[in-house]
Amino acid sequence: EIVLTQSPATLSLSPGERTTLSCRASQSVSSYLAWYQQKPGQAPRLLIYDASNRATGIPARFSGSGSGTDFTLTISSLEPEDFAVYYCQQRYNWPTFGPGTKVGIK
Amino acid sequence: EVQLVQSGAEVKKPGESLKISCKGSGYSFTNYWIGWVRQMPGKGLEWMGIIYPGDSDTRYSPSFQGQVTISADKSISTANLQWSSLKASDTAMYYCARVTQARYCSGYSCLAGYFDLWGRGTLVAVSS
Repeated sequence: EIVLTQSPATLSLSPGERTTLSCRASQSVSSYLAWYQQKPGQAPRLLIYDASNRATGIPARFSGSGSGTDFTLTISSLEPEDFAVYYCQQRYNWPTFGPGTKVGIK
Repeated sequence: EVQLVQSGAEVKKPGESLKISCKGSGYSFTNYWIGWVRQMPGKGLEWMGIIYPGDSDTRYSPSFQGQVTISADKSISTANLQWSSLKASDTAMYYCARVTQARYCSGYSCLAGYFDLWGRGTLVAVSS
């Protein structure tokens, strides 16, 4: 099983700040990595697929990069609606998710 | 509107059986894999398995093989997740979701993708 590790576990930030979330895989997943956003009481939403492609309707302030074992999700300027939990997921082998990074309001 | 509508919350006792459902609309249901994801209370996401409603080809994550059954009825655009004997540890939110970017992978019966359309979830509570 491919294990995904996310860091940090939690972040406290202010609206307008820039942030970078990290996802590391236990083995190479090529570019087969996605990022999801989940708000309390809601289903997850696909943000980024194949490391750097924004899903339909996702604002340009969200961007993804990386390949192999190290990936990042960057939010260029946090909006109030961006405070949520972010998960990465690989599709290189049997899909697995990371444990999530919670982005909270400072 | 493109959507997945899941059945309502369930409260069951250990040992009981259960089937929950997920109805797709607004797109060609038979042409996309549909998957199930478990989220235990306060925890992360787990890929359980997927089904292709067009021919009912089903692939289970190794962690869930033998624990649940995934099925589909393409005539009513519905996918199902069922248990024959629930345990307290099955208490969780269960999401159905449509798969995009599906690819065959190297594990036995492995097929992987991402989820681009999600249902709102079905809460299953199992307690004596």
